[in-house]
Amino acid sequence: GQNIDQPTEMTATEGAIVQINCTYQTSGFNGLFWYQQHAGEAPTFLSYNVLDGLEEKGRFSSFLSRSKGYSYLLLKELQMKDSASYLCAPMDSNYQLIWGAGTKLIIKP
Amino acid sequence: NAGVTQTPKFRVLKTGQSMTLLCAQDMNHEYMYWYRQDPGMGLRLIHYSVGEGTTAKGEVPDGYNVSRLKKQNFLLGLESAAPSQTSVYFCASSPTDGPQDTQYFGPGTRLTVL
Repeated sequence: GQNIDQPTEMTATEGAIVQINCTYQTSGFNGLFWYQQHAGEAPTFLSYNVLDGLEEKGRFSSFLSRSKGYSYLLLKELQMKDSASYLCAPMDSNYQLIWGAGTKLIIKP
Repeated sequence: NAGVTQTPKFRVLKTGQSMTLLCAQDMNHEYMYWYRQDPGMGLRLIHYSVGEGTTAKGEVPDGYNVSRLKKQNFLLGLESAAPSQTSVYFCASSPTDGPQDTQYFGPGTRLTVL
């Protein structure tokens, strides 16, 4: 079966760094997406990885290891507005996104 | 560009009632999707469409029907609502379903079935 595993909730301090991990098992693989979702709002695209390694985009970076079925999202210089849920979504062989339940990130001053 | 819009934003139904949720996109995207999101669970795909006049079942299609008569619109129907259909419904669109094609989401419809 297809499965996504990410922590339910994490807490971090404003200005710090946090890493949100995601492990996955899918039928085939066509890349992995990370989305951000603020409470009561729609998910919005953050990053896409299809090759192994680190992709950096401003304060956010995303890493992928296809052989380990593992990805992480790294958030630097945390701001209060980063309080949100972060959704890991690998794409399977049918080009369908398989969504994790998300990690709720709480930022404290 | 309005992006992806959904109507209505909120709705309360009684068991057995029917309703239609409307999704519209102005990005000329071929692919459109309907998801539901429940607490503690990932987004689950209900139905999707790969182009005007086409529809296909997703992971949880039972109790729902869809239509894509125009490229820009994707309708989700509930013929006889049940309390288990209480959820937040998101519509999304993408240029194609290929790798790297981002899905763009509407603001969601919060549906409560009593």
